[in-house]
Formats: sequence, C-alpha cells, structure tokens
Amino acid sequence: QKEVEQNSGPLSVPEGAIASLNCTYSDRGSQSFFWYRQYSGKSPELIMFIYSNGDKEDGRFTAQLNKASQYVSLLIRDSQPSDSATYLCAVFMDSNYQLIWGAGTKLIIKP
Amino acid sequence: KAGVTQTPRYLIKTRGQQVTLSCSPISGHRSVSWYQQTPGQGLQFLFEYFSETQRNKGNFPGRFSGRQFSNSRSEMNVSTLELGDSALYLCASSVQGKNTEAFFGQGTRLTVV
Repeated sequence: QKEVEQNSGPLSVPEGAIASLNCTYSDRGSQSFFWYRQYSGKSPELIMFIYSNGDKEDGRFTAQLNKASQYVSLLIRDSQPSDSATYLCAVFMDSNYQLIWGAGTKLIIKP
Repeated sequence: KAGVTQTPRYLIKTRGQQVTLSCSPISGHRSVSWYQQTPGQGLQFLFEYFSETQRNKGNFPGRFSGRQFSNSRSEMNVSTLELGDSALYLCASSVQGKNTEAFFGQGTRLTVV
C-alpha cells in the first residue's frame, strides 16, 4: 500500500458543477495535509493547507479531513475550465519526517 | 515578497557531464526540499536541507547531492549524467519543513542528450 494514494483520473466534470477529489493516507498520526494544483509544464501551486482539526474553506475550494477513515478531500464548487489541472495531495508523515506526495489526479472541466 | 527562484530555467547537458542547479528560497524560509518530476514517476523526493544540514534524503543514487548555505540558498549537483536524469527539477521552500506550507520555484528543465 502506498503511503498517499490518489485516483489518477482523469476526472471529468461539467462546468459549474462540484468537483470532488480524494486522497487516502497510511500514517494515522499525520497532522498536516496539503493540496496543490499543477498546470501542465508548470510547478505545483499551493491551494489549501489543513492542520489536523477539520475542514477549511477558501473561496470556491473546501478541504475536508476525515481522520477516522484516513482520507482528505478537496471540493471545488462552480468548476471553471481554468480549474483543469492535476491536483496533488501531500501529507506530512511524522513517522519519517517527510512530506509524502500522491501521484495526482487529473481534473478536466468540460465547458 | 519574492518567491522561490530557481536557476537556470533550462539546461541541456551531455551524458557523463555534471550539472549544478540553484535555488533561492523565500526570505525567512530555512527549509529547502528538492524534487525530480518526470511524466511517468510524478514528484520524487531527493533531499531536504534545513539550516545547512541535510535533514532527509530520498532514494536516489549518490550521484545526486546537495548543500545549503548560511543564507538558506541551496544547490543540487548531479554528476555523471545519464539520459534518465532528464526531468523537471523543483525546489520548494518552507519556514521549517514540518507542518508548514511549501512553495515551489518554477523549476529547472534538464535535458540530457
């Protein structure tokens, strides 16, 4: 089992709908969770950071943490074509003091 | 506030040569991490430096090395380049690494021919 897992996609969502991206992690003691967006040929850009204690909302983006089931999700409301990108989940693993990355989910927003 | 700066942006090298990449972190950030990204492998962690010390290392051969200076700027070096080293090399800086946001530079695209 990989330490951080994401569905590679592509996930296709119509414009204006809610896009839901998920990420599972193996280290139950993890407390820091990150979502990055990466456009093709560009470097990852931080979207959300949540620390241990639940949901966080920033504009159209909401990050939700379920510690019992060990997954973190990213919801994008009112999806726009410009949201089409690869979304990377990263989890800080206290067990090896390292930020572990998922392979990313490719999201396509269809006009 | 200036972001993370990586130089050079693009590089073409020949097999067997060596290369040095540079990363200037955001002011006040003491942690610098390096990653290799290829289409098939995703983001692969190389190493992390904090206050001039290598704090963590990924599973890369010894040809890959790095260092960090007292001003937190970091360099990574790849010796005896192989074709498979062609990739986007990214550095990310954060205040302290653990439980803090990491911000990426634009990357250095290395092509080995």
